[in-house]
Amino acid sequence: QLQLQESGSGLVKPSQTLSLTCAVSGGSISSGGYSWSWIRQPPGKGLEWIGYIYHSGSTYYNPSLKSRVTISVDRSKNQFSLKLSSVTAADTAVYYCARVIGYYDILTGYYQSGYFDYWGQGTLVTVSS
Amino acid sequence: DIVMTQTPLSSPVTLGQPASISCRSSQSLVHSDGNTYLSWLQQRPGQPPRLLIYKISNRFSGVPDRFSGSGAGTDFTLKISRVEAEDVGVYYCMQATQFPITFGGGTKVEIK
Repeated sequence: QLQLQESGSGLVKPSQTLSLTCAVSGGSISSGGYSWSWIRQPPGKGLEWIGYIYHSGSTYYNPSLKSRVTISVDRSKNQFSLKLSSVTAADTAVYYCARVIGYYDILTGYYQSGYFDYWGQGTLVTVSS
Repeated sequence: DIVMTQTPLSSPVTLGQPASISCRSSQSLVHSDGNTYLSWLQQRPGQPPRLLIYKISNRFSGVPDRFSGSGAGTDFTLKISRVEAEDVGVYYCMQATQFPITFGGGTKVEIK
């Protein structure tokens, strides 16, 4: 059974960089056909997709956050990471990692995502001085 | 971005009775590859989201058959045939047909 576990700093000061890691167990992060995603949920609110990374290293970010987001993968540790820069109170949220089911279109060079099948438990990040 | 609109916002249901949630997208979710990437997620109180249905009507592994999905184009429905106590939570629809991925605002299912 695939498991994902988020970890990282739970408190970040405004204007600093949020850093989180998602450790994957029960499967290889390098397996073909999958991407690895971050999604967040402000307290009491809905879900917002942040971005995902294909195992090759190609990244896809939500345009609303693109200028501040970096997602990377560490295949040796079977984990992937999120960095969100210049944070404000609006970035306070529970951050989830998830596996993406989709496929890589060789003709377009684009990863078409389908759905998120496995999710981590989530980690609350609070932005406050 | 594709806007996903869910109704109702809240659905009080009697145990054993059916429940239905509607999700409407601002554009067709039919992809050029022929698939419709509309999925449904359940979020129980204090828990992460959990995949229930993918590509309109396919139940994910371990999901009870009282959950069913239907629809096409821009209109989709999640039905629970007989609500059980463990079904309490917020349900979200999600589209991945068009970049960026977007979610509906959620529908809260609660017991009367």
